Amino acid sequence: EAGVTQFPSHSVIEKGQTVTLRCDPISGHDNLYWYRRVMGKEIKFLLHFVKESKQDESGMPNNRFLAERTGGTYSTLKVQPAELEDSGVYFCASSPPGLASVKYFGPGTRLLVL
Amino acid sequence: GQSLEQPSEVTAVEGAIVQINCTYQTSGFYGLSWYQQHDGGAPTFLSYNALDGLEETGRFSSFLSRSDSYGYLLLQELQMKDSASYFCAVRGGATNKLIFGTGTLLAVQP
Repeated sequence: EAGVTQFPSHSVIEKGQTVTLRCDPISGHDNLYWYRRVMGKEIKFLLHFVKESKQDESGMPNNRFLAERTGGTYSTLKVQPAELEDSGVYFCASSPPGLASVKYFGPGTRLLVL
Repeated sequence: GQSLEQPSEVTAVEGAIVQINCTYQTSGFYGLSWYQQHDGGAPTFLSYNALDGLEETGRFSSFLSRSDSYGYLLLQELQMKDSASYFCAVRGGATNKLIFGTGTLLAVQP
């Protein structure tokens, strides 16, 4: 069974540009999460989807970040316009219904904003 | 605020036993998890404790004391491949989000 996949693996953009990250969860996993790790700091929660609905978006830093999960399958996270402090590793994770205690993480997208 | 404290680095030798501690302060508590991360790759689930006591999975065990807001991950018969970062994480509320500690970098030496 394929794990959580993320695209791209790396992205280098200039301040002010737009970047869209994609996450494909494990098939059948209703729960999809986005997390971010900024250099040297802890992994921080961004938001949680259950199917196509946003269950919790309390971790989204500001309105430059927009997450979608149309159709309840893959998800995108768009940063527009990107700022220097957005640099970090963006992880996606998924978990099946009824098993929230175990989260399967993707390999992450390393974003560098110059 | 919400925080999880763990040592930043631990060094041990092959075959030894190492314990990584985690203390937490969160507004809600639904369980303590441990994740392993190699070289900045995907964090991998190791264990989950919702109730007090010890959970054993092969060479790894995890312990929780809710009254002390404390847990630990115990790694036995250390192998070189166990060199990685280890994160404790609290499921802090009715939502399923995880609150992570800053991670412990474990270096296993020959």
